Amino acid sequence: AQKITQTQPGMFVQEKEAVTLDCTYDTSDPSYGLFWYKQPSSGEMIFLIYQGSYDQQNATEGRYSLNFQKARKSANLVISASQLGDSAMYFCAMREPRSGNTPLVFGKGTRLSVIA
Amino acid sequence: DTAVSQTPKYLVTQMGNDKSIKCEQNLGHDTMYWYKQDSKKFLKIMFSYNNKELIINETVPNRFSPKSPDKAHLNLHINSLELGDSAVYFCASSQGEGLYYEQYFGPGTRLTVT
Repeated sequence: AQKITQTQPGMFVQEKEAVTLDCTYDTSDPSYGLFWYKQPSSGEMIFLIYQGSYDQQNATEGRYSLNFQKARKSANLVISASQLGDSAMYFCAMREPRSGNTPLVFGKGTRLSVIA
Repeated sequence: DTAVSQTPKYLVTQMGNDKSIKCEQNLGHDTMYWYKQDSKKFLKIMFSYNNKELIINETVPNRFSPKSPDKAHLNLHINSLELGDSAVYFCASSQGEGLYYEQYFGPGTRLTVT
């Protein structure tokens, strides 16, 4: 079973509009961390935002916010006031506790295209 | 200052060759990782090192071997390259093992095996 599911292979949004990228996750651990990364066409991976499983409030970082619904196991990324530079692949990822180290487990990504 | 650097950025080689990708981080982090991104953009963990000790070795062919001369470096050696090894390889580092530590990624190395 997939640990991280991103159901939207591609999304389009008009410049200056808000957009929500979906992410659902699967874990039986009460402790976990959820991350969103951006990968522009240049290829680098850019960390955007983090949400801990015990965090009471939704995480926010500038124009990025995370709509965290723990009971539904969803961690959707909301980008407000989209800009042309937001066009990129977006990856949702999770870290779970395990013996030793904790790598990121990624979803398959959503390609966001911002239209002028 | 580059936080996580990788060399080379592009690597084109023939089947059967042996190659290495170097990774260095100047963040003082304790843990480093190698990820593989396939042609469909799917990212998967290959290895991680914590204080020079291999912690994770996923189902990766033993032709791939990580080598860490010190805490700041984690190099990836690949023997007998195959066509299916063509991918983008990312090095990453994080401050520790805690679930809340984000990982900082290098720029990636695009490996093409012909």
